[in-house]
Amino acid sequence: GQNIDQPTEMTATEGAIVQINCTYQTSGFNGLFWYQQHAGEAPTFLSYNVLDGLEEKGRFSSFLSRSKGYSYLLLKELQMKDSASYLCAVRDQDYQLIWGAGTKLIIKP
Amino acid sequence: DVKVTQSSRYLVKRTGEKVFLECVQDMDHENMFWYRQDPGLGLRLIYFSYDVKMKEKGDIPEGYSVSREKKERFSLILESASTNQTSMYLCASSLNLRGGNQPQHFGDGTRLSIL
Repeated sequence: GQNIDQPTEMTATEGAIVQINCTYQTSGFNGLFWYQQHAGEAPTFLSYNVLDGLEEKGRFSSFLSRSKGYSYLLLKELQMKDSASYLCAVRDQDYQLIWGAGTKLIIKP
Repeated sequence: DVKVTQSSRYLVKRTGEKVFLECVQDMDHENMFWYRQDPGLGLRLIYFSYDVKMKEKGDIPEGYSVSREKKERFSLILESASTNQTSMYLCASSLNLRGGNQPQHFGDGTRLSIL
């Protein structure tokens, strides 16, 4: 079967750095996406990785290791508005997205 | 910016009713998707469509049907609503199913309660 694992919930302090991990076992691999979803709102696209390595986009970075079936999302200089759920999704061999259950990130002042 | 609009944010229906959820996108995307989102579970794909009048079953199509008569509009139909279909329903669209870094763009969701 196909599976995406992420921690259910994480807590971090405003101004700090947090790393949200995602491990996956899928039938094939055609890219990995990270989305942000604020409570009661639509998921919004954050990043895409298809090759190994780090992709940086402002305060957010995403890393991929295909051999390990592993990715992480790194958030720097945390702000209160970063409180949200972060969804990891892998595009499989049929180009369908397989979604993790999401990680709820709580930011404390 | 891509705009995906779902017809209702909140909807309450009764068991056995036929329910229609509408979704419209304004970016001429080929692909459209219907998901449901439940606490503790990832997004689960109900149906998707890669062209007008084309539809494909996702992971959980039972109890649902879809219609895509125009490129910009994708409708989800609950043929006879049941309480286990109470959920958040999310519509999404994307430019190209196989297109590299093309993400899916989501509507704000419809929170559907079946009583």
